[in-house]
Amino acid sequence: DAGVTQSPTHLIKTRGQQVTLRCSPKSGHDTVSWYQQALGQGPQFIFQYYEEEERQRGNFPDRFSGHQFPNYSSELNVNALLLGDSALYLCASSPLDRNTEAFFGQGTRLTVV
Amino acid sequence: GDSVTQMEGPVTLSEEAFLTINCTYTATGYPSLFWYVQYPGEGLQLLLKATKADDKGSNKGFEATYRKETTSFHLEKGSVQVSDSAVYFCALSVAAGLSGYSTLTFGKGTMLLVSP
Repeated sequence: DAGVTQSPTHLIKTRGQQVTLRCSPKSGHDTVSWYQQALGQGPQFIFQYYEEEERQRGNFPDRFSGHQFPNYSSELNVNALLLGDSALYLCASSPLDRNTEAFFGQGTRLTVV
Repeated sequence: GDSVTQMEGPVTLSEEAFLTINCTYTATGYPSLFWYVQYPGEGLQLLLKATKADDKGSNKGFEATYRKETTSFHLEKGSVQVSDSAVYFCALSVAAGLSGYSTLTFGKGTMLLVSP
């Protein structure tokens, strides 16, 4: 079992650009959540996808958007990047019948310069 | 809203010392409680969990008991090893919506440094 895989592992973007991060959930999982972890902080919930729809959303601006595909993989898009968007972005997957246990990927380290 | 408060680190211990990392929570519903661990340069790994009051979660010598009366979920280990050095996150999850999906609310994390 490959677990939760994310790509790329590291990324450097310029302020104002757009970025797309990708996540493949653990086998058998159909729910994907995205988190932002700033340096020295705990992860903050961005949004959650199930059945290709956004089911819940945290306190993040509309510049943050996502998508889930029929194979349950997911993308996180961030537009008009700000320096403050620099963080580790974590993807977590879970099965709907055990929705309180999430498995995390290694994360994508985004640096905005 | 829901929140988790952890003791600030770093916690510095010698090998074989006893570990306690305090965690308290505030939640509007009936949360499940978790401890996650993050090793340098890696994502989060679930360490243990408890889904109802008085449950004890345990794994790899770590344990934590869900205390509803004190809204706490303190992490303990009787004898730490150098390999336990990492950042530990306390988190809660409250089921929401008809389909029971939920999200995690994390504390800020506590760094543990264990020296030989």
